Amino acid sequence: NAGVTQTPKFRILKIGQSMTLQCTQDMNHNYMYWYRQDPGMGLKLIYYSVGAGITDKGEVPNGYNVSRSTTEDFPLRLELAAPSQTSVYFCAGHWDDTGELFFGEGSRLTVL
Amino acid sequence: QKEVEQDPGPLSVPEGAIVSLNCTYSNSAFQYFMWYRQYSRKGPELLMYTYSSGNKEDGRFTAQVDKSSKYISLFIRDSQPSDSATYLCAMRGLTGGGNKLTFGTGTQLKVEL
Repeated sequence: NAGVTQTPKFRILKIGQSMTLQCTQDMNHNYMYWYRQDPGMGLKLIYYSVGAGITDKGEVPNGYNVSRSTTEDFPLRLELAAPSQTSVYFCAGHWDDTGELFFGEGSRLTVL
Repeated sequence: QKEVEQDPGPLSVPEGAIVSLNCTYSNSAFQYFMWYRQYSRKGPELLMYTYSSGNKEDGRFTAQVDKSSKYISLFIRDSQPSDSATYLCAMRGLTGGGNKLTFGTGTQLKVEL
């Protein structure tokens, strides 16, 4: 199994551009999450999904959108990128009855 | 006040030392407590997982939870250079609807030869 795979690993965006961070998993996770990690701030939850077709906002959803059309894929969309969205983004997933989150390796985004 | 407080470090120790990492929290609803290890430029990986108060040991690692003091600890015995990483505490309550964890900011540990 590849686990949780994120692409791209690195990206530089200009202010106002849009992009999608891809996340796919082959572990049959029902639950999937997007976090952002900023220095000294820990991991903050952006959006999460409890299954295909169901998504909900986390702690810091503004400026982002998600979709979950299949169990495997959970892309994160950034519209009108802003410098405040410069961060490292992590996708994670888990099964129904476990507390263990499996993380991807992260996508490092810089908005200039 | 943050829900979870964690000293960011960095913490530097010699090889073989006993390391103590700690988090305090304010939300009495937290019941599940975890420690994640994150190597540089990698995603976090689960190290220890405990429910409610008590101790849990796994090899060189021991996790302690004191719910009365709202204080959790991770001890690393005989620390090795390969333990150099950032350690994140995480916790959540009993409610369903997903595993929405609250993370500490992480403590950066360096174990030196």
